[in-house]
Amino acid sequence: EVQLVESGGGLVQPGGSLRLSCAASGFTFSSYDMHWVRQLPGKGLEWVSGLGTIGDTYYSDSVRGRFTSSREDAKDSLSLQLNSLRAGDTAVYYCVRGSYCRSGHCYPVGAFDVWGQGTMVTVSS
Amino acid sequence: QSALTQPPSASGSPGQSVTISCTGTSSDVGGYIYVSWYQQHPGKAPKLMIFEVNKRPSGVPGRFSGSKSGNTASLTVSGLQPEDEADYYCHSYAGSNTWVFGGGTKLTVL
Repeated sequence: EVQLVESGGGLVQPGGSLRLSCAASGFTFSSYDMHWVRQLPGKGLEWVSGLGTIGDTYYSDSVRGRFTSSREDAKDSLSLQLNSLRAGDTAVYYCVRGSYCRSGHCYPVGAFDVWGQGTMVTVSS
Repeated sequence: QSALTQPPSASGSPGQSVTISCTGTSSDVGGYIYVSWYQQHPGKAPKLMIFEVNKRPSGVPGRFSGSKSGNTASLTVSGLQPEDEADYYCHSYAGSNTWVFGGGTKLTVL
């Protein structure tokens, strides 16, 4: 079964840090782009970060410089380091599978087809 | 990276059709074919319903269809079923390996 399982969420004070993890199973993790998407309480979805199969990383303007994403293909895992946290970062964070990549070509583009159950991050004093 | 614009709500009776719009700019929706739609039921993770404007993943009913004209994409649900009641989000490539979602539309089946 294709599965993504996030962990590491919790309560943290403003200015604090947290590290989220995502364990993948049931597919060839190293061949897929991966993403982090968050959902603020009662609100919509927001793309946070993307990771390519060669380790390239991309971030939304709202988190660039504060969040760092990484992947460890040998362990089929993804991580998101959250630093300088703000109240506005309070959200459910989802680990999401993106495109299948082979020989430099990725497809289908933009089909975020597998989602984890999410992990809640609460930033509050 | 401004969110795409969706109507906050839409509704229809069982068996009817409903269309949800998603308006962006020439830098996202209008500039690429990489528009997707997601369905989210309360307390659940989103589910991919449409990708690359009008393609359905296996397992998604044929009554879900997508289209795009200029800077506006649309999701049409034909033959509404009670289980279609959910939140729907559009999603588009925004260039430079970044992505943007719409604000979401709550679909009510009357």
